[in-house]
Amino acid sequence: NAGVTQTPKFQVLKTGQSMTLQCAQDMNHEYMSWYRQDPGMGLRLIHYSVGAGITDQGEVPNGYNVSRSTTEDFPLRLLSAAPSQTSVYFCASSGLPRSGNTIYFGEGSWLTVV
Amino acid sequence: AQSVAQPEDQVNVAEGNPLTVKCTYSVSGNPYLFWYVQYPNRGLQFLLKYITGDNLVKGSYGFEAEFNKSQTSFHLKKPSALVSDSALYFCAVREASGATNKLIFGTGTLLAVQP
Repeated sequence: NAGVTQTPKFQVLKTGQSMTLQCAQDMNHEYMSWYRQDPGMGLRLIHYSVGAGITDQGEVPNGYNVSRSTTEDFPLRLLSAAPSQTSVYFCASSGLPRSGNTIYFGEGSWLTVV
Repeated sequence: AQSVAQPEDQVNVAEGNPLTVKCTYSVSGNPYLFWYVQYPNRGLQFLLKYITGDNLVKGSYGFEAEFNKSQTSFHLKKPSALVSDSALYFCAVREASGATNKLIFGTGTLLAVQP
């Protein structure tokens, strides 16, 4: 079972470069989201989507764009990378928020901006 | 506003001893509560959740957690720790009536089990 798949696992960017973190899930989940993990801060929500064509901002959306053209895919775009975006990024998915659906996470993408 | 507190950055316990990782939460309505574990350089793995019903929830790898509404706590426990339990543990909460699945995470507790 693939679950939630993220690529790349590791990436080094120069300040000002753009890139896309890919996320795909094979569980037919409606809800997908992106979090970033920073030391001492837990995980913070960047963007989320409740279905194809529908996205919304989380706690820390600045500097990131998302789109949801299909149920399976939810890419995260860094428009102009900054050192403050050095972090570990996690994609997650779940069924719609009823009955406490469990959120499942990908393996993470380690991003360094120099 | 929703929030989660994990008051201990690190918990040290000897193998074979019971362990507790603490979590308290704040939501305006009824909570859905979750525990996740993260091993080094890996993603978050779901351990257990409280939705409704029995306050004692059993999860993966022998872990359990007790929901205490009056103390707004959801502490993670295991009767006998293993060295392989050493990892970073996250508590998370969301409002049961929420329209989205936005989870609010604690800052994490590093569990170190000594042989």
